Amino acid sequence: GAVVSQHPSRVICKSGTSVKIECRSLDFQATTMFWYRQFPKQSLMLMATSNEGSKATYEQGVEKDKFLINHASLTLSTLTVTSAHPEDSSFYICSARLAGKGRQPQHFGDGTRLSIL
Amino acid sequence: GDSVTQMEGPVTLSEEACLTINCTYTATGYPSLFWYVQYPGEGLQLLLKATKADDKGSNKGFEATYRKETTSFHLEKGSVQVSDSAVYFCALSSGGNEKLTFGTGTRLTIIP
Repeated sequence: GAVVSQHPSRVICKSGTSVKIECRSLDFQATTMFWYRQFPKQSLMLMATSNEGSKATYEQGVEKDKFLINHASLTLSTLTVTSAHPEDSSFYICSARLAGKGRQPQHFGDGTRLSIL
Repeated sequence: GDSVTQMEGPVTLSEEACLTINCTYTATGYPSLFWYVQYPGEGLQLLLKATKADDKGSNKGFEATYRKETTSFHLEKGSVQVSDSAVYFCALSSGGNEKLTFGTGTRLTIIP
């Protein structure tokens, strides 16, 4: 149980393109989803917290107009990298937390490797 | 603020060797502690967790005990396998928003 599906797994685009990444919780409802960015051989950096039905909360230094997050349902959050440039190339990972009482663990998708040419 | 410090890698061991990856933390209140594993090209998988002091999390032969007195959550396994080769992340969550704070990760390579 607790499967998170992230799509696409890999995308290569030209500079200036906008790219949308989907994160779905397949067998549970997630009131909160998280978006991370991981640079090569480094840890995960939290970009934003996505709450269903409300605006995302962005971490300091993350441009909300650059990284648009939509969490329209309890099973889907999307991250759109707008007008992507080579410096946006990275591994993006989402996670979803089960709705419910108590501290629930986050379950992660397999990540999306974004390469901007 | 919250922080996690874990043993720097890379760590290379022979098959069937004992493993310890150290992890210490700083947090306000009473955090939950986690170990995640990341296999090449994949996202993170929850390996084990502990939510209160003296709890022991275990899975797939790995164990970690929540030590409040030493603020540690070291990962251990008695006999590692080649299939354990991956990057291991120690993490904590605290507060109402349950954000995860990760350590820098430790790359483990097991050689036959």
